[in-house]
Amino acid sequence: DSGVTQTPKHLITATGQRVTLRCSPRSGDLSVYWYQQSLDQGLQFLIQYYNGEERAKGNILERFSAQQFPDLHSELNLSSLELGDSALYFCASSVDPGEGSEQFFGPGTRLTVL
Amino acid sequence: EDQVTQSPEALRLQEGESSSLNCSYTVSGLRGLFWYRQDPGKGPEFLFTLYSAGEEKEKERLKATLTKKESFLHITAPKPEDSATYLCAGGNTPLVFGKGTRLSVIA
Repeated sequence: DSGVTQTPKHLITATGQRVTLRCSPRSGDLSVYWYQQSLDQGLQFLIQYYNGEERAKGNILERFSAQQFPDLHSELNLSSLELGDSALYFCASSVDPGEGSEQFFGPGTRLTVL
Repeated sequence: EDQVTQSPEALRLQEGESSSLNCSYTVSGLRGLFWYRQDPGKGPEFLFTLYSAGEEKEKERLKATLTKKESFLHITAPKPEDSATYLCAGGNTPLVFGKGTRLSVIA
């Protein structure tokens, strides 16, 4: 158990809908990262927050957004969902914002868009 | 552009048959090379961080090494429970992940 929690574990929804994924980092970690993993792709970095502020952005679609709250938990919002958004979404956390800091991953949320 | 490439894509070993997984990287200003283990449908589990060429780290049957251009994950006398996908990652912010090596250890 990494200490990173994610809810829900599974999410099934329809095209065009909007969902929110939630992540709580390990105690003491200030940085949160979101990744997408689909069958034919590796782990794709979406976005990073550090102590409430956006730190780095990857190939995150405009339909996706995220935020980190004062209690350091983070939410990833996915809207106007398409079939291709079906994937595993992982949250990770680290003590420092990057540059050699180990990231610890949560168990993931499996999103299925029908 | 930072790149991390892992080989082979898949590896099948008999129990007790030692082997190595490769991770080659082209990353400017590498701050760390990371190894993770991922079981199907689960989150990656952190294994090792290597910071400088020549560094080695061990954990049970696994040993990770680092040179200036690549890293190896050596698996000594593997057991079926070592079956998983092994991921390496490098870079600054954000980390760049390789696509992984899918290891199967057969009893």
